[in-house]
Amino acid sequence: QVLLVQSGAEVKKPGASMKLSCKASGYTFTSYYIHWLRQAPGQGPEWMGIINASGGSTTYAPQFLGRVTVTRDTSTNTVFLELNSLTSEDTAVYYCARTGEEWVAFDIWGHGTVVTVSS
Amino acid sequence: IVLTQSPGTLSLSPGERATLSCRASQFISRDSLAWYQQKPGQAPRLLIYASIDRATGIPDRFSGSGSGTDFTLTISRLEPEDFAVYYCQQYDRSPRTFGQGTKVEIK
Repeated sequence: QVLLVQSGAEVKKPGASMKLSCKASGYTFTSYYIHWLRQAPGQGPEWMGIINASGGSTTYAPQFLGRVTVTRDTSTNTVFLELNSLTSEDTAVYYCARTGEEWVAFDIWGHGTVVTVSS
Repeated sequence: IVLTQSPGTLSLSPGERATLSCRASQFISRDSLAWYQQKPGQAPRLLIYASIDRATGIPDRFSGSGSGTDFTLTISRLEPEDFAVYYCQQYDRSPRTFGQGTKVEIK
């Protein structure tokens, strides 16, 4: 069974950083891409970035450049999302999702991680 | 690419037909358009990719159509489990973008 299991909910102060994880199982990790997306309450999902699980190359959405880093650990089949300088506008559910090629639809999603940024 | 979905809310009864629209601000090449279903507290689920192809395990009452800038998701006969929010998404160019969603609610 193909699964993406994400880390637990987090509460952060404004200005802090966060690091979320997404552990893949049930398929060949390095044959796919992993994306990070987020969804604020009442909004559609917003794409943040992508990592090639094989070579580790990344691309980020322009609005997150300089503030986001996506990495992967092939020994544990895990992808990480780091986001710095958090504000209340970063409060959202964060999802990882898989694609078989770079430019195709997201076929498998993680269950999501709730992140709350509040003073 | 900005995706505009209409209507915002669709109030229908089980057994009725649902027609959801997604309009793109720019031409989407290679029919790089997907539809997802999302229920409260759950992640989105892929229904349709490449505008017309059903994802694995998706019932044939779901169908997609369209090309260029105008796309449609049709649910031929609504089942109780189909009441949810539906999003379109383009993966033609970066950044990948989603519409704001259409909520299909029970009338």
